Amino acid sequence: EAGVTQSPTHLIKTRGQQATLRCSPISGHTSVYWYQQALGLGLQFLLWYDEGEERNRGNFPPRFSGRQFPNYSSELNVNALELEDSALYLCASSSPPGFYGYTFGSGTRLTVV
Amino acid sequence: KQEVTQIPAALSVPEGENLVLNCSFTDSAIYNLQWFRQDPGKGLTSLLLIQSSQREQTSGRLNASLDKSSGRSTLYIAASQPGDSATYLCAVRGTGNQFYFGTGTSLTVIP
Repeated sequence: EAGVTQSPTHLIKTRGQQATLRCSPISGHTSVYWYQQALGLGLQFLLWYDEGEERNRGNFPPRFSGRQFPNYSSELNVNALELEDSALYLCASSSPPGFYGYTFGSGTRLTVV
Repeated sequence: KQEVTQIPAALSVPEGENLVLNCSFTDSAIYNLQWFRQDPGKGLTSLLLIQSSQREQTSGRLNASLDKSSGRSTLYIAASQPGDSATYLCAVRGTGNQFYFGTGTSLTVIP
């Protein structure tokens, strides 16, 4: 069974540009979660999508947005990039029934220069 | 809102020692609790998942316990090895299907 896949692995952008990160969940998982992990900091919850809808959002500005497609894959967009957006972005998937846990992807390392 | 705390924040032990990592949470209305391991710059690897109806789970040298009523979980690592060096995170899944993470314990096992 394929795990959660994230692309690209690394991304280098210039300040002010836009970045698009992608995540494919495990087959059968309908929920996708996005987290930001800046260097030396903990996981910061960004967004949760389930069945194509945004279910919850963390304390991030509106320039962080995303969507979930009919096949449950997801995209995270970061507009007007700032230097402090440099971080490891992790995607996880799960099934809605409460007894399932998370499965994480390997992450996308975004560097803003 | 659920708050998840992990103590200690960092731990350094000699190889071969048994150790305990702690995780506490404020709201006992959870579906499950999951322990993860994260190596520097990498994603999270799931170690153990304990359902709210369970008391413990074991995998190899790892044993995780859950006391839902007191809002506590422990991860026990037996006979620690240098390869166990990583950050360990616990996460609880609330009844709203939201996951809440602790801040992690950074473990160093000294050869």
